[in-house]
Amino acid sequence: QITLKESGPTLMKPTQTLTLTCTFSGFSLSTSGVGVGWIRQPPGQALEWLALIYWNDDERYSPSLESRLTITKDTSKGQVVLTMTSVDPGDTATYYCAHARGSEESYFDYWGPGTPVTVSS
Amino acid sequence: SYEVTQPLSVSVPLGQTATITCEGDKIRTRSVHWYQQKPGQAPVLVIYRDSNRPSGVPERFSASNSGNTATLTISTVQAEDEADFHCQVWGGRIVVFGGGTKLT
Repeated sequence: QITLKESGPTLMKPTQTLTLTCTFSGFSLSTSGVGVGWIRQPPGQALEWLALIYWNDDERYSPSLESRLTITKDTSKGQVVLTMTSVDPGDTATYYCAHARGSEESYFDYWGPGTPVTVSS
Repeated sequence: SYEVTQPLSVSVPLGQTATITCEGDKIRTRSVHWYQQKPGQAPVLVIYRDSNRPSGVPERFSASNSGNTATLTISTVQAEDEADFHCQVWGGRIVVFGGGTKLT
């Protein structure tokens, strides 16, 4: 059974660095064709993809946020960490991590429940 | 960068068929995935690779992809189907989500 869960701060101040951890079980990030992605959703708005890391250490980033994002994995711990620098109120959203299946045109077949993050001074 | 467009909302009477579109240039050449999201919940995959249904997803959910439009069809719509629906494709090396469609 695949499960994922996000954790991290719920309240941030502008200019701080946000670190979110996705802790997963039921699969290994060393298995070919597997990845973990991060997606966020501002209140009342659409889903926005942020980053994805694959079993082979291939990293993908949203072009609009790439300069602020870093995604890493710890296969032995079953965790993926997303770091976002210089947050501002526009980064207020619910952040999801999700299991990505397929090495080509992956899709997200399992999602965590999400963790809300508010950026406010 | 590649973009896909969804209608903001679709309204359909109970028991009828709902059609939600996802438009993009030559989208037929890309795999389209669909997610259902109910209020306060995480998205759930309902269709992957254009027309495949994960186990546990009701048969009334189906989809196709042709030309510049991918289509999610929900036949015999039930009250529990009310939700936001999101399409997802790949634009080169990046993931692209549509803006989401609210089904009422």
